[in-house]
Amino acid sequence: EPEVTQTPSHQVTQMGQEVILHCVPISNHLYFYWYRQILGQKVEFLVSFYNNEISEKSEIFDDQFSVERPDGSNFTLKIRSTKLEDSAMYFCASSETSGAPGEQFFGPGTRLTVL
Amino acid sequence: AQSVSQHNHHVILSEAASLELGCNYSYGGTVNLFWYVQYPGQHLQLLLKYFSGDPLVKGIKGFEAEFIKSKFSFNLRKPSVQWSDTAEYFCAVIKNAGNMLTFGGGTRLMVKP
Repeated sequence: EPEVTQTPSHQVTQMGQEVILHCVPISNHLYFYWYRQILGQKVEFLVSFYNNEISEKSEIFDDQFSVERPDGSNFTLKIRSTKLEDSAMYFCASSETSGAPGEQFFGPGTRLTVL
Repeated sequence: AQSVSQHNHHVILSEAASLELGCNYSYGGTVNLFWYVQYPGQHLQLLLKYFSGDPLVKGIKGFEAEFIKSKFSFNLRKPSVQWSDTAEYFCAVIKNAGNMLTFGGGTRLMVKP
């Protein structure tokens, strides 16, 4: 069964450094998402991406964040200058269609630790 | 803004016990509803979803959920749990035609053998 994959599984970085989290969505999917979960808190939506542009973003997704689909398979989340509060599990997801009935399939997550 | 509440944070059951996990959402418009499960060390997987039609939906592994519009609820049920159901369960909603899943806080279920 096709799966969303994410690398690395765990990323440790120093505050102020840039990080790029990588995702390979399911190959025939057209919609891509990033979510995050700070330890002990809810899973929160960050951004959705379709047709090479952001279609929706939350208040969390400020100028420090950016997304890119650099080639036909990868979907990346960049944090330009990490802060301690960016420490979280970051989940990538993809779906074949938008909204209903587009089921979002999730990757295993990347645990980001900012020191 | 929409929000989702899961009232049970931790649930411990013995095998064969019945399960009901509560989920309430706040949003006045049309929503689509989901239950996701995360088994230990694994990624979020869809258990079941409601878009329209019969408010009682059946999912994988014997789970079902009932959408009660008047109560803004979408409770998850299973008549007889197994040890392998030990996991964290997340209720989520999405506005019709939207992309943003809004999650509840999750319920950790432990099933004792």
